[in-house]
Amino acid sequence: GAGVSQSPRYKVAKRGQDVALRCDPISGHVSLFWYQQALGQGPEFLTYFQNEAQLDKSGLPSDRFFAERPEGSVSTLKIQRTQQEDSAVYLCASSFRTGGEKLFFGSGTQLSVL
Amino acid sequence: QKEVEQNSGPLSVPEGAIASLNCTYSDRGSQSFFWYRQYSGKSPELIMSIYSNGDKEDGRFTAQLNKASQYVSLLIRDSQPSDSATYLCAAEGNSGYALNFGKGTSLLVTP
Repeated sequence: GAGVSQSPRYKVAKRGQDVALRCDPISGHVSLFWYQQALGQGPEFLTYFQNEAQLDKSGLPSDRFFAERPEGSVSTLKIQRTQQEDSAVYLCASSFRTGGEKLFFGSGTQLSVL
Repeated sequence: QKEVEQNSGPLSVPEGAIASLNCTYSDRGSQSFFWYRQYSGKSPELIMSIYSNGDKEDGRFTAQLNKASQYVSLLIRDSQPSDSATYLCAAEGNSGYALNFGKGTSLLVTP
């Protein structure tokens, strides 16, 4: 595709529900990042993949958060037993380089936990 | 402690004026710096990157970096209403890949 695609665009979950957020990066991009952006804040790093390898998951807030990129392309961010504090926009970004240069961001998934 | 600091604004400038956006960072090991523009409800878009001290110009945009003062700025010349957005400053952390973002500065260019 022409850009980074994320789905769903909006997700409303009841507290305690599990959710899965999908990211389809630009074809051929090696690096894939997940960021969390709370209202009025800048994006916060969650995790980084280089191809299928998850090199850094230090930003994941708790063990309820899990990310995978099994074939080095599409990635899924899963949140188990969602809590209200998980409400945020989840941004996926990709780059053809290793590292954080020249990131292309997707439109994000806005998660609201009620 | 937030590693990248920005004034949240809003910064209001008249059309045609120069908008000056500023950012400080705490990690002296940061080598790469970026300015992203984010329209309301949209994703961040990279507009400038800078890696060495001094100025870097691209069209109406000039990024300035002073590593001794740990200071990054973005100048927008001939500001247009379409420049109205939130501008995010980011520094590459010591991981070499994760970006530390500031909260962003809201810019409003009035006709």
